[in-house]
This record gives sequence, C-alpha cells and structure tokens, in this order.
Amino acid sequence: DGGITQSPKYLFRKEGQNVTLSCEQNLNHDAMYWYRQDPGQGLRLIYYSQIVNDFQKGDIAEGYSVSREKKESFPLTVTSAQKNPTAFYLCASMGQGTYNEQFFGPGTRLTVL
Amino acid sequence: AQKVTQAQTEISVVEKEDVTLDCVYETRDTTYYLFWYKQPPSGELVFLIRRNSFDEQNEISGRYSWNFQKSTSSFNFTITASQVVDSAVYFCALSEGPNDYKLSFGAGTTVTVRA
Repeated sequence: DGGITQSPKYLFRKEGQNVTLSCEQNLNHDAMYWYRQDPGQGLRLIYYSQIVNDFQKGDIAEGYSVSREKKESFPLTVTSAQKNPTAFYLCASMGQGTYNEQFFGPGTRLTVL
Repeated sequence: AQKVTQAQTEISVVEKEDVTLDCVYETRDTTYYLFWYKQPPSGELVFLIRRNSFDEQNEISGRYSWNFQKSTSSFNFTITASQVVDSAVYFCALSEGPNDYKLSFGAGTTVTVRA
C-alpha cells in the first residue's frame, strides 16, 4: 500500500541527546515536510524539501536538521540545541498534480526526559 | 501575522446535531488553496476537502459541506448529523500561490460528539 511511514511511534530521549526521526514515503512524491505540533496548537513547519538534495527552513527550524539524499526519505534530527523538543512530529509529502494537498504520516511523539 | 484563524477552540454537541467550524484566512495572493483536515485521537491528519481560490461554489460531500466566501475571507465547514466518530480536532489550512507548496494551519477546533 502507498503511504507515509514514521518510526517509531513513541520515542524517549534524555536531555542533551540528539535524536533522529524517520520518515519514508512510497508515493513517489517530490516534496516532503516536517511539522511540529504542541498540545492545543496547530502545526508549525520545521523544514521542507521540494527535490532531492535540497531543503529549506520553515518557521521554526532552529535546533533541527534534515537531509534529503533519497526521494523517498526525509529524516529529521532533533539536536541538543532545541530548547523544548518534547512534541508530536508529523511528516508529510506532496506530489505533482495534487493541488497542494499534503499527505501525512502517523506521527512520532517525542518525549525528552 | 496569523494567516489562518480558527476562533472556536472547542465545540461539544450531542449526536445528530450539526456542527459548523469557522475559518478565516488572510492572503494577498489571488491564487491559493484552502483545506480542511481532521486529526482523530490516533494523531494522523486526514484530508477532508480542498477548495481553490477560483472556485467559490459551495458543495456537499456526504455529511460534509463547506461555505467559501472570498468577500469575507472565510472557509467554513459543516458536519451534518454528527456522529461520535466525528470527534476529533479539525484544522483549516491555507496554501498560497500556485508555486508555494507550504501549508499554514490554524490552531484547530476540537469537536466532541456525545452519544
């Protein structure tokens, strides 16, 4: 089945450690996105990539890094520089001819202890 | 500045009541897309509807309908005859310009449907 997978569903890390969240899609979409969601708030864009080997900062990129070495993969690293990393992280992708509709993965809930 | 405003934080209704969710957006572009997404307790966002700026025709799709009015920059969404399974957080989102692929989300409205 085509879709977006994010792993793991729940992730716990100690303060000061870097952690990488996985996002894989088999929809053959060119564009991929990372969003952060805090309780009671909407989604905020962290990074996005429209083609392989290229990505742009979103609204809240500080403390995060990404790579886009393959079309189907867009991992997000939450670094120790991110002051408040505990949140729900959602990955999305978008293809040509979808009228800007983004398809979302199931999300990863990161808790920093 | 907030591009998408959802003034209603929470709505609680009894099953079979209609629910209308308000969304007001702000953009200077003449070409843009508006969306409604549903986020059930599982967390994954589910696409519901999309409307582009050139089409103000309001439609009904099953129990969902929407009212898009450019004059008031509003894109309201209605669930008719609500069911318990409709309980979720609903987000309105805006994508500006034909080549801007980013989405700006509202803060969301939590809908609780009681049996």
